[in-house]
Amino acid sequence: GAVVSQHPSWVICKSGTSVKIECRSLDFQATTMFWYRQFPKQSLMLMATSNEGSKATYEQGVEKDKFLINHASLTLSTLTVTSAHPEDSSFYICSRAGGTDTQYFGPGTRLTVL
Amino acid sequence: GENVEQHPSTLSVQEGDSAVIKCTYSDSASNYFPWYKQELGKRPQLIIDIRSNVGEKKDQRIAVTLNKTAKHFSLHITETQPEDSAVYFCAARANAGKSTFGDGTTLTVKP
Repeated sequence: GAVVSQHPSWVICKSGTSVKIECRSLDFQATTMFWYRQFPKQSLMLMATSNEGSKATYEQGVEKDKFLINHASLTLSTLTVTSAHPEDSSFYICSRAGGTDTQYFGPGTRLTVL
Repeated sequence: GENVEQHPSTLSVQEGDSAVIKCTYSDSASNYFPWYKQELGKRPQLIIDIRSNVGEKKDQRIAVTLNKTAKHFSLHITETQPEDSAVYFCAARANAGKSTFGDGTTLTVKP
């Protein structure tokens, strides 16, 4: 069964609003989780590494003030897209590591900004 | 940082034929190489992986080979079936836990 869940699975919002996406580790206390973005017909691009109890580590080119990450507990990481614009429309996927090499992905969240 | 290149970007085969997808990586510190299958709108699904201390791994119709010296690894699917049609991604990862993905290969298996 699924070991990582995401909510919501899809969201449509107006330009300028903020959207929060939740990623939960269901079976493992994850000190580290990852957030990816995938545009249509493209690969997964790592946005940031979410660390429980500390600041996230952002990849080069990702605006930390626009994509707010909070990892306040060992089972929950959230990604907030602030002041969303149409170019932020994408498929956002989280994953968790831990235990073994295997990386477990969430089901993804489809964000559409009008 | 790590750079992963994947070829081909699209691959079309006849049902029953074999399919081979190749990836190269740049960081000699990478030691874990998973392959994922992703269907439209869904999460990537791990189909096979290999660690740097192994040269080849097989799981039924799927196999992966790794050449550490040349820094390349390949996915082999034999006896392809229409349900194998999907996008396949390779990835490379060092101990830090960050995975770098290839650009993906769209595999089409024609009945």
